[in-house]
Amino acid sequence: DAGVIQSPRHEVTEMGQEVTLRCKPISGHDYLFWYRQTMMRGLELLIYFNNNVPIDDSGMPEDRFSAKMPNASFSTLKIQPSEPRDSAVYFCASSLGGVGEQYFGPGTRLTVT
Amino acid sequence: KNQVEQSPQSLIILEGKNCTLQCNYTVSPFSNLRWYKQDTGRGPVSLTIMTFSENTKSNGRYTATLDADTKQSSLHITASQLSDSASYICVVRRGGNKLTFGTGTQLKVEL
Repeated sequence: DAGVIQSPRHEVTEMGQEVTLRCKPISGHDYLFWYRQTMMRGLELLIYFNNNVPIDDSGMPEDRFSAKMPNASFSTLKIQPSEPRDSAVYFCASSLGGVGEQYFGPGTRLTVT
Repeated sequence: KNQVEQSPQSLIILEGKNCTLQCNYTVSPFSNLRWYKQDTGRGPVSLTIMTFSENTKSNGRYTATLDADTKQSSLHITASQLSDSASYICVVRRGGNKLTFGTGTQLKVEL
């Protein structure tokens, strides 16, 4: 298996622009998680899905952030409008079952100038 | 408050030496604890998982311990290699999908 796939690997954008991050989970996994990692705060859970349905979005920082999972093999995390404080590495992870091991993608490094 | 604290924040050791990383948690209720290794520019990869009843678990040169009474865990690395240079993250599950992450220990192994 190719593992969790994320794109792009790096994104540089200007403040105010829309940013879309993409994730393809491991085939057969029914849970998908979006995380943000910064030096100051470490890894933080933003939102997770079970069978394509958002279950807990309490970690989404504000309304500028939205996530969708239109099917079992694709999810997006969108930031509109982006701000410099959104600069971080965003990880997608998937698991089989809610308490199974989470497999992380390589991450997307976002820089907002 | 559910917290996971790791120490030291960073560590430099010589190749071949041993080291121990610490993780203290106040998470409740406790379900399990994982140690992840995160190489630079990569996502975290699970090294070990420990449940309440487990005291020690090994994965090659990595040995994790858990003291559920004192809410402490450690990760011991034996005969370190350059490839061990990474961030090591302690993660505690408190039930369901509630994970609490430590901020990690940055380990550098030098010649």
